[in-house]
Amino acid sequence: NAGVTQTPKFQVLKTGQSMTLQCAQDMNHEYMSWYRQDPGMGLRLIHYSVGAGITDQGEVPNGYNVSRSTTEDFPLRLLSAAPSQTSVYFCASSYGQLLNSPLHFGNGTRLTVT
Amino acid sequence: SQQGEEDPQALSIQEGENATMNCSYKTSINNLQWYRQNSGRGLVHLILIRSNEREKHSGRLRVTLDTSKKSSSLLITASRAADTASYFCATDSFGNEKLTFGTGTRLTIIP
Repeated sequence: NAGVTQTPKFQVLKTGQSMTLQCAQDMNHEYMSWYRQDPGMGLRLIHYSVGAGITDQGEVPNGYNVSRSTTEDFPLRLLSAAPSQTSVYFCASSYGQLLNSPLHFGNGTRLTVT
Repeated sequence: SQQGEEDPQALSIQEGENATMNCSYKTSINNLQWYRQNSGRGLVHLILIRSNEREKHSGRLRVTLDTSKKSSSLLITASRAADTASYFCATDSFGNEKLTFGTGTRLTIIP
């Protein structure tokens, strides 16, 4: 059971560069989401999706894009990286569209923007 | 903005003692969940309690929910070194597909 797989584990970008953080789950979960975790701030929701073809914004969506073309994959794109996007990014998924079941988390991507 | 706030921010206890951490939230909820995060890892779900429930148990974990005070507590009994981690509460509200996390309690178990 792979669960939720995030790649890469670590990434260093220069300001202005773009990149895509990958997230894949093999549990046939409808709900997928992206969080960022910063010291003292807990986890903040960036974007989420309740199913293929459907995405919506979370608390801190600016500077990030997402798409959901398949049930399994939910990539997060940074179009023009900024130092403020230095953070640890977590992808999470859950069964069903409503949040009555727990989130399953990946192990995170640690991103540094210089 | 954070929906949940955990208290205390940090807690150190001796192995074998009980650990209690609290979560307060601001608006009406549908469910409240508790998660654990070991250093450098993703979060792991511990327990989910619905708004119409008052108490729930899972192994050495006991969660209470008081919707009138908008608060929840997580009790870990007979703590072990492996319980050293950060603990987060998370809430969602009716008709809202967003799960909002608090800032966490860092628990250290001293062997």
